[in-house]
Amino acid sequence: QIQLVQSGAEVKKPGASVKVSCKTYGYTFTSYGTSWVRQAPGQGLEWVGWISGYNANTNYAQKFLGRVSMTIDTSTSTVYMELRSLRSDDTAIYYCARDGGSSFRDNWGQGTLVTVSS
Amino acid sequence: QSVLTQPPSVSAAPGQKVTISCSGSSSNIGNNFVAWYQQLPGTAPKLLIYDNNKRPSGIPDRFSGSKSGTSATLGITGLQTGDEADYYCGTWDSSLNAAVFGGGTQLTVL
Repeated sequence: QIQLVQSGAEVKKPGASVKVSCKTYGYTFTSYGTSWVRQAPGQGLEWVGWISGYNANTNYAQKFLGRVSMTIDTSTSTVYMELRSLRSDDTAIYYCARDGGSSFRDNWGQGTLVTVSS
Repeated sequence: QSVLTQPPSVSAAPGQKVTISCSGSSSNIGNNFVAWYQQLPGTAPKLLIYDNNKRPSGIPDRFSGSKSGTSATLGITGLQTGDEADYYCGTWDSSLNAAVFGGGTQLTVL
């Protein structure tokens, strides 16, 4: 069955970087894109960006331009998201999700809690 | 502030029906498909409805979606206590060139 399995929780200091992985199973990786969506404590969902599993093209939300990078490793069907210059308001659960179409995410990872604290 | 507007909370009794609204604009809901997600406490979001009114396999027909103009609605019939969750609408915004979500609606089954 389709699964997206994310790396474990991270604690980082302000100004540091974090790299979260999302290993996928059960479908043809190169046929789908992957979005990253975050959720701050007690808050709603916020789209961070998207990467194509076919050619690694990316589309980042304006808010994160210059701070985020998404990459893929097709040999292991894994997607990575790196967020730099971390601030306390980046504290959130980060989800990877398979894009079923531009308007929806049909399968989600379990989430990775990133805590930014001095 | 979310691009899409949802009521913060709704409630209804077990067995009853509830609707959750999602309001947007011509750059998002008005010209793109809408999806709905259910997020049970402490879990990842789960796709309930896509392309305005389609249900993924395994989603019961108690859940339905509709769209009219720049608004969308999620309907849930035969409410169960297990339906208590946060519900989010989402779509693509062609002006922002970004996926957008509503702020979420907390459903309480009294």
